[in-house]
Amino acid sequence: EIVLTQSPGTLSLSPGERATLSCRASQSVSSSYLAWYQQKPGQAPRLLIYDASIRPTGIPDRFSGSESGTDFTLTISRLEPEDFAVYFCQQYGSSPYTFGQGTKLDIK
Amino acid sequence: EVQLVESGGGLVKPGGSLRLSCATSGFTFSKAWMSWVRQAPGKGLEWVGRVKSKKDGETTDYAAPVRGRFTISRDDSKDTLYLQMNSLKTEDTAVYYCATFGGGPKWGQGTLVTVSS
Repeated sequence: EIVLTQSPGTLSLSPGERATLSCRASQSVSSSYLAWYQQKPGQAPRLLIYDASIRPTGIPDRFSGSESGTDFTLTISRLEPEDFAVYFCQQYGSSPYTFGQGTKLDIK
Repeated sequence: EVQLVESGGGLVKPGGSLRLSCATSGFTFSKAWMSWVRQAPGKGLEWVGRVKSKKDGETTDYAAPVRGRFTISRDDSKDTLYLQMNSLKTEDTAVYYCATFGGGPKWGQGTLVTVSS
């Protein structure tokens, strides 16, 4: 089983700042099948990035994903007020598909 | 437009059973590997299991906490995914989502299952 470890657990920043969220996999993720999601209370997860770096239609370009070996990064270039939420990473390259424990991005 | 709509959630007693459905549209369901994911109140996301396409053998995989109690199936003629949940425990209380991840993840909005006496 691939274990995904997200850091930090909580990130406190101000609107306009840059956010860098990390997701480290315990082993290689097949075909870079890693996604990032944003979740707000009472809502379903919202897909931000898939296949490590592809942004779906409709996702603002301030969100970007990158990969270096087993380290994955979600970068939000300039935080907007609506970006403060919980972020999860997920690998879907090998079964069991697994999720990170989440990073809470809150307003400083 | 891609749509996945879960139904069948509700309140059930420990030891009971429940069947969830996920009606889909907007993509080729018969070719998709389909999964269920759950989220307990205030907790993170947990993959429950998946069923491969018929072409790939329609085989299933399950997470350890549900193996032997939950069964995932599909009806390609109805573009619908199912989750049969038996021997339910209080710790199965969660919002259950259906999803497919190939070609870009797609999720439903979820249905709440509460296991309580």
